[in-house]
Amino acid sequence: QQQVKQSPQSLIVQKGGISIINCAYENTAFDYFPWYQQFPGKGPALLIAIRPDVSEKKEGRFTISFNKSAKQFSLHIMDSQPGDSATYFCAARKGNTPLVFGKGTRLSVIA
Amino acid sequence: DAMVIQNPRYQVTQFGKPVTLSCSQTLNHNVMYWYQQKSSQAPKLLFHYYDKDFNNEADTPDNFQSRRPNTSFCFLDIRSPGLGDAAMYLCATSSDEGYLSETQYFGPGTRLLVL
Repeated sequence: QQQVKQSPQSLIVQKGGISIINCAYENTAFDYFPWYQQFPGKGPALLIAIRPDVSEKKEGRFTISFNKSAKQFSLHIMDSQPGDSATYFCAARKGNTPLVFGKGTRLSVIA
Repeated sequence: DAMVIQNPRYQVTQFGKPVTLSCSQTLNHNVMYWYQQKSSQAPKLLFHYYDKDFNNEADTPDNFQSRRPNTSFCFLDIRSPGLGDAAMYLCATSSDEGYLSETQYFGPGTRLLVL
């Protein structure tokens, strides 16, 4: 049973456009929702994270939108750049338990 | 810089030959994790330590073992690597202290090749 479902599997966006990646979760006990960015040959790095008591969090060009009632959260990358090309993983966590990851989205930003 | 360090970055081993991957951290985090990540897939948790308490995932093969001799170091032992064990192995840490418990910090990974 996949606890965190991520879509799309891959995404191609024009430079300057908006990249949107969606995740849905099943466990209502999850209380922490991070997004990780991973470049080829590197370990995942935390990009931005949100707790369910807020509906949106913005850090620079990256925004998480959170819909608790729908059990969904999404990552928006504004003004997408070729340097944003990477694999993005959403994840969720309950308390101090290990993260549960989505399957990842491979983003390609083309000029 | 506080970091999660993994050695070696690349490891080549022969089918069935035991191999050990190492992870060290300067973050003084009490929780350490080992993940296996295959190409184009999400990291898959193998096990984690909460201090010295070892927590094995139910579907982690017996072929995979781990040791944590102290807070800073953690080892992944693969007793008899098979071709299917070729993957990137990621070490991560987190702390259970306050807001810091939210974030898992990953090392750069060790890419294992089995010949």
